[in-house]
Amino acid sequence: GEDVEQSLFLSVREGDSSVINCTYTDSSSTYLYWYKQEPGAGLQLLTYIFSNMDMKQDQRLTVLLNKKDKHLSLRIADTQTGDSAIYFCAESIAGNNRKLIWGLGTSLAVNP
Amino acid sequence: DTGVSQDPRHKITKRGQNVTFRCDPISEHNRLYWYRQTLGQGPEFLTYFQNEAQLEKSRLLSDRFSAERPKGSFSTLEIQRTEQGDSAMYLCASSLAGAGGYEQYFGPGTRLTVT
Repeated sequence: GEDVEQSLFLSVREGDSSVINCTYTDSSSTYLYWYKQEPGAGLQLLTYIFSNMDMKQDQRLTVLLNKKDKHLSLRIADTQTGDSAIYFCAESIAGNNRKLIWGLGTSLAVNP
Repeated sequence: DTGVSQDPRHKITKRGQNVTFRCDPISEHNRLYWYRQTLGQGPEFLTYFQNEAQLEKSRLLSDRFSAERPKGSFSTLEIQRTEQGDSAMYLCASSLAGAGGYEQYFGPGTRLTVT
């Protein structure tokens, strides 16, 4: 079945690294995405990874994919107060119109 | 192009009234999705268009909901006889089939409150 799970809350100090974790169940997922949602704002695509990759780095963001364990993580280096938001993990199922299946989101609080 | 736009941004309506929302996707995108998000939840898929064809509808989409994309560009989502349970953020996203990671880009959403 299709299910995406995330821990609900994470609190870090400014300047530290944040690691947000996600697990998914559908082994046919081909793309996995991270979106950011700030209060009252829409969903901003941060990055995505194809399922044949183990890692993708984009500036302060590093995505790690463990396909065997169906585990995805997003690392934010040098976390800033502006990174405070809800982070959603989503999977796109191959041959299924690419609709996104979402987790509940992880609320990241960055403390000065 | 400034991205996906949605109109209105907020809608307050009384139970039983009909409402219609509009989404303008990124101009070259041929795929358009509607999702619904309630507080504390991730978005839930509602329906999907490729060009003007509606190719999938979720079981969440009761017969009070209808969506169109008449010319393969903008889309409308209509809710008839609104109920309080329809209160949510309605999100539209667009993507380009076959491009990169099939990334979906979202509009700001339309927040519906049914009183």
